Amino acid sequence: QKEVEQDPGPLSVPEGAIVSLNCTYSNSAFQYFMWYRQYSRKGPELLMYTYSSGNKEDGRFTAQVDKSSKYISLFIRDSQPSDSATYLCAMSAGAGGFKTIFGAGTRLFVKA
Amino acid sequence: DTEVTQTPKHLVMGMTNKKSLKCEQHMGHRAMYWYKQKAKKPPELMFVYSYEKLSINESVPSRFSPECPNSSLLNLHLHALQPEDSALYLCASTYPGNNYGYTFGSGTRLTVV
Repeated sequence: QKEVEQDPGPLSVPEGAIVSLNCTYSNSAFQYFMWYRQYSRKGPELLMYTYSSGNKEDGRFTAQVDKSSKYISLFIRDSQPSDSATYLCAMSAGAGGFKTIFGAGTRLFVKA
Repeated sequence: DTEVTQTPKHLVMGMTNKKSLKCEQHMGHRAMYWYKQKAKKPPELMFVYSYEKLSINESVPSRFSPECPNSSLLNLHLHALQPEDSALYLCASTYPGNNYGYTFGSGTRLTVV
C-alpha cells in the first residue's frame, strides 16, 4: 500500500463548477499537509498548507484535513480555465520538512 | 516569477558527457533539495542539504553528484547518465525546522541520448 493515494484523473469540469480533489494516507504520523499546483513543464507551486486537522480557506481554495479518517481535500470554487493543471497533495511527519511524501497528482481540466 | 532559479531550462546530453545543473535562491532558506520527476509521476526526493551539509541522500546512483557551495547555491553534477535518467529535475528550498512547504524552481528538463 502506498503511503499516499491520489486519483490521477483526469478530472474534467465546466467553468464555474466546484472541484473536489482528495488524498488518503496511511501514516498516522503525518502532521503537515500541503497542496501544490503544477502546470505542464513547470515546477510545483505551493497553494495551501495546513497543520493537523481542520479547514483553511484562501480565496477560492479551501483545504480540509480529517486526521481521524486519514483523508485530505482541496476544494476549488468558481473554477476557471486557468485552474487547469495537475494538483499534488503532499504531507510529512516532522517539522523539518525533509521527508515530504507526494501523491501521484490529479490532472484537472476546466472547460470554458 | 519563481524565487528559485534553475539553469539551464533544457539540457540534452550524451551518455558520455559531463554536465551540471544549477539552482539559486535568495530567500534566506537554509535547506535545499533536488527532486527528480518523470512524466505524470510525483517528484522523487534525491538529496537534501541543510546548512550546506548533505542531510539526506536517497540512495541515488553515483552518476549524480550534488554540491552546495554556499547557502544560496545548489549544483547537481551529472556524469555517464543513462537514457532512463531523462526527467524534469527540480530544485526546492525551505527553512530547516519549518514545514510551511517548499518553494520550487521551474526545473531543468533533461534528455539523455
